[in-house]
Amino acid sequence: DVKVTQSSRYLVKRTGEKVFLECVQDMDHENMFWYRQDPGLGLRLIYFSYDVKMKEKGDIPEGYSVSREKKERFSLILESASTNQTSMYLCASSQITAYSYEQYFGPGTRLTVT
Amino acid sequence: QKEVEQNSGPLSVPEGAIASLNCTYSDRVSQSFFWYRQYSGKSPELIMSIYSNGDKEDGRFTAQLNKASQYVSLLIRDSQPSDSATYLCAVRRVDFGNEKLTFGTGTRLTIIP
Repeated sequence: DVKVTQSSRYLVKRTGEKVFLECVQDMDHENMFWYRQDPGLGLRLIYFSYDVKMKEKGDIPEGYSVSREKKERFSLILESASTNQTSMYLCASSQITAYSYEQYFGPGTRLTVT
Repeated sequence: QKEVEQNSGPLSVPEGAIASLNCTYSDRVSQSFFWYRQYSGKSPELIMSIYSNGDKEDGRFTAQLNKASQYVSLLIRDSQPSDSATYLCAVRRVDFGNEKLTFGTGTRLTIIP
């Protein structure tokens, strides 16, 4: 079974703090993704990576950065947390084959910025 | 127009009946389609994928794809209370050579015992 783990289930931070969210997958997947999920807005892609040290902006990258130093690990960084970044953050990984493109999600981190 | 549209619900279905969930998408060249189930407070879990026109069955679940009409649906037969969840439709897209998923906002399904 694919396993995607995230460093924290719940996190409370203050405005202006630097926040690190970590994600690890154990299936040797090439691709990793960070989403945020908000009521009424669904899942929105923040950043993704197709290889080590490679990153691409998703649909809402402002206020975030990422790091992928190892294939299995993908980190999301909030340089200076703001209250509008309070959300559920979900990491996912996938392997693209000719016939499938299935993403597997971690358990999520509920971040509250006060 | 949203790229992937779903009726947000809530959709209430009696136990044992068929639940029908629908999704439309705007990008005609989309090739791969997915249904995820998300229980309250949990992360999305992949339950079905479909790549060709027609029906694909897996246990009590059937995914239906009609590329000409740009819709994909999920049927749940013999609905159980444990099927109560939000169902997310996802469509694979290619953006500047990068492949990504676009998700709908989900349909909340409640199975009434």
